[in-house]
Amino acid sequence: AQKITQTQPGMFVQEKEAVTLDCTYDTSDQSYGLFWYKQPSSGEMIFLIYQGSYDEQNATEGRYSLNFQKARKSANLVISASQLGDSAMYFCAMREGVGNQFYFGTGTSLTVIP
Amino acid sequence: GAGVSQSPRYKVAKRGQDVALRCDPISGHVSLFWYQQALGQGPEFLTYFQNEAQLDKSGLPSDRFFAERPEGSVSTLKIQRTQQEDSAVYLCASSYRDYTGEQFFGPGTRLTVL
Repeated sequence: AQKITQTQPGMFVQEKEAVTLDCTYDTSDQSYGLFWYKQPSSGEMIFLIYQGSYDEQNATEGRYSLNFQKARKSANLVISASQLGDSAMYFCAMREGVGNQFYFGTGTSLTVIP
Repeated sequence: GAGVSQSPRYKVAKRGQDVALRCDPISGHVSLFWYQQALGQGPEFLTYFQNEAQLDKSGLPSDRFFAERPEGSVSTLKIQRTQQEDSAVYLCASSYRDYTGEQFFGPGTRLTVL
């Protein structure tokens, strides 16, 4: 089974609107971390936001927020007030327990329309 | 710069050639990770170092892949007798603490095997 599932290969959003990128995960560990990364066409992975499994509050970082629903095993990324520079691939990732590995999803390509 | 750097950025190899990919992590970062990213996919874990110790190499796809970090800073990923299926972007990431910390990624090396 896939550890991380991103079901939206591509998304479009109007500039200044909000957009939600979906991510579901699969783990039997009680302790885990969830991450979102942005990968522009230049190729570099840029860290956006982190949510720990024991965090009670949803993580927020500027225009990024993580909608963490533990029972549903979902960790959706919400980008508010989209900007043209937000156009990129977005990857959801998970680190399980005390493991060393990050498991990445297949990504969602976001295009912001002016 | 203060970020993770990788060299070369692009490498073209003939099938059967050996290649060496270099990663310079952020100074002082304890942990170093290598990932392989095939076209249209998310990164997949290859190996993990804590200082000079290679603690996890479970993701290396074959014994043709070898990684080292002899002094706990710069790391080299070596691929022997390259095959066409090795064509991918190889990403390096470093983390200040152990595996629990946020990972900072380099720009990657795009390897094309002809």
